[in-house]
Amino acid sequence: QVQLQQSGAELVKPGSSVKISCKASGYTFTSYDMHWIKQQPGNGLEWIGWIYPGNGNTKYNQKFNGKATLTADKSSSTAYMQLSSLTSEDSAVYFCARGNWRFDYWGQGVMVTVSS
Amino acid sequence: DTVLTQSPALAVSPGERVSISCRASEGVNSYMHWYQQKPGQQPKLLIYKASNLASGVPARFSGSGSGTDFTLTIDPVEADDTATYFCQQSWNDPRTFGGGTKLELK
Repeated sequence: QVQLQQSGAELVKPGSSVKISCKASGYTFTSYDMHWIKQQPGNGLEWIGWIYPGNGNTKYNQKFNGKATLTADKSSSTAYMQLSSLTSEDSAVYFCARGNWRFDYWGQGVMVTVSS
Repeated sequence: DTVLTQSPALAVSPGERVSISCRASEGVNSYMHWYQQKPGQQPKLLIYKASNLASGVPARFSGSGSGTDFTLTIDPVEADDTATYFCQQSWNDPRTFGGGTKLELK
């Protein structure tokens, strides 16, 4: 069965960077886009961007240009998102989700807390 | 960006029918999808492309609409349906989500 297993919670300092992972199993990793979505406490969902692991192509929500960098490792079927220059506004739960135009499987989410 | 507007909250009794609306600020063709999220969990796909039931989702859930106005219907509502429901469009970039409708049972 399709599973997306994300890395654990992160507590990071303002101004630093963090890299979170999403390990896929149960399907052909290189055949589907992997999307990343942000959810702040009590808030809705924001789409960050996608990567196509088959060729490494990416597309970002302009709002996250320069904030998020998406990569993928075909050998381990793992997608990554690096967030840089972190501020309190980046404190949120981050989900990975499989899909080309709909998000049919989601990871369990990673809570990133930015605090000194 | 395409803004998706949902009512913030609804309260219904078990066994009733409930309709959750989503209005888009511009046309999204039929590329509207619906998700259910329970506290502390990831969202779950319910309906894709306006009216298609996702795999494993009970037939109590249905979707309709096209263009700018879409509806998710649950009939009949069960206690386990207590959750927040989000619409999401993938026709225009960037992809956007509605603010969510919190469904409570009386």
